Amino acid sequence: GDSVVQTEGQVLPSEGDSLIVNCSYETTQYPSLFWYVQYPGEGPQLHLKAMKANDKGRNKGFEAMYRKETTSFHLEKDSVQESDSAVYFCALPGSRSSASKIIFGSGTRLSIRP
Amino acid sequence: DTGVSQDPRHKITKRGQNVTFRCDPISEHNRLYWYRQTLGQGPEFLTYFQNEAQLEKSRLLSDRFSAERPKGSFSTLEIQRTEQGDSAMYLCASSSPVDGNTIYFGEGSWLTVV
Repeated sequence: GDSVVQTEGQVLPSEGDSLIVNCSYETTQYPSLFWYVQYPGEGPQLHLKAMKANDKGRNKGFEAMYRKETTSFHLEKDSVQESDSAVYFCALPGSRSSASKIIFGSGTRLSIRP
Repeated sequence: DTGVSQDPRHKITKRGQNVTFRCDPISEHNRLYWYRQTLGQGPEFLTYFQNEAQLEKSRLLSDRFSAERPKGSFSTLEIQRTEQGDSAMYLCASSSPVDGNTIYFGEGSWLTVV
């Protein structure tokens, strides 16, 4: 079935460092891909999305390229800020017969050191 | 505030008691979802409604769980005979008819079963 695997656990860059959070997906449908962000005490919120292969999602300096050949959707940023600290989830919709269901990765906690 | 609203935000209950959570989706969103999230994990799909019809339920949704959306607006999630393993955050989300793949989460209802 459809699945998402992302960088596990916590990432601890310093402010100003570049960032890559890996996401690999498995699907037979090639749907949209998402990154959600979750701040403490809040529900996840959509961070960026790419609708189809070779699209690039962008938001607040973050980018993610939908790559079909490598089945990846890595989240990247050139220079992280302390305010970027949060948990990030890679996600994709379920199968066409269950497009209502969003499948989430286990999350990557991003903690920016000042 | 026109976002997804959930109530209560926090609930502590004794094992064996029943609890009910309420969700008010974004107005005019016809789809409503319930997810469960435990610490260190991504949200897991429980069930979803299109208008008042419950169209899909996860295997995670045991017989003790029931969800309703009687008038196609707000929804309730009831857990009967709570168990310690039910302790989690219960997230509600909604999506519009225009873009069903983009879902918007509420802030969640934390349940602690003691």
